[in-house]
Amino acid sequence: NAGVTQTPKFRILKIGQSMTLQCTQDMNHNYMYWYRQDPGMGLKLIYYSVGAGITDKGEVPNGYNVSRSTTEDFPLRLELAAPSQTSVYFCASGRGQAQPQHFGDGTRLSIL
Amino acid sequence: QKEVEQNSGPLSVPEGAIASLNCTYSDRGSQSFFWYRQYSGKSPELIMFIYSNGDKEDGRFTAQLNKASQYVSLLIRDSQPSDSATYLCAVMYNNNDMRFGAGTRLTVKP
Repeated sequence: NAGVTQTPKFRILKIGQSMTLQCTQDMNHNYMYWYRQDPGMGLKLIYYSVGAGITDKGEVPNGYNVSRSTTEDFPLRLELAAPSQTSVYFCASGRGQAQPQHFGDGTRLSIL
Repeated sequence: QKEVEQNSGPLSVPEGAIASLNCTYSDRGSQSFFWYRQYSGKSPELIMFIYSNGDKEDGRFTAQLNKASQYVSLLIRDSQPSDSATYLCAVMYNNNDMRFGAGTRLTVKP
C-alpha cells in the first residue's frame, strides 16, 4: 500500500540552484496537490492538478512550476532556489474536488 | 480573504477527558471541512470530514459544523496520550482552494 510517495525525503540546496521534488500516487486519483508547511504554520497550497495535462495555481505559486503528464506523477520544480523556500513540502492526492486528501511523507528542503 | 482560524494552544486535557477543538472560517461559500491530525515531524492524516450542518460521529471523534456561525469543531472523547498531536482544520473553498488553519496542539496527560 504505497499511497503517495515523495522523493527525496531531505535535501539541502544552495541559493540559485534548481531541483525537482517528485510525487507519485498509485491510487488512481485524478486530483493532486502540492503544499508547503513552514514551522508552526498550517499548510499552504502551491499548485494543484485535476487531471493529466491540467494544472492551476494555489495560494503561493511564485517561484514554483508543476507539470502533470500522467495520472500518477505530479513533480514540483524550483528553478532558482531562495532561502524563503526553505520548508517542508507535502504532496497529496484525492478522488475529486472536496474529497479528503491523502498525504505523502513530505520533503524537508533547506536552502542555504 | 479566505481565512481559517484556530486557537494555537497548547490545549492540555487529562487522560479520559473530552478534548474540544474549534475552528472558524471566513467564506460562507465553503462546502467541505476536514480535520487532520499531525504528529511532530510527520505528515497530516485525515481524522474526519463533514459537509452538512450538524454532527458526524466516528468512534471517539465527533465533528460539528455550523455554517450559519461559520465554525467547525472536533470533539475527542476518552482522550488518550496517543491523541497528543497538532490538529489541523482545513476548509475547501471554490476551485480546489484548500485552506488550512495553523493548527491546535493537543497534549493528553496520563
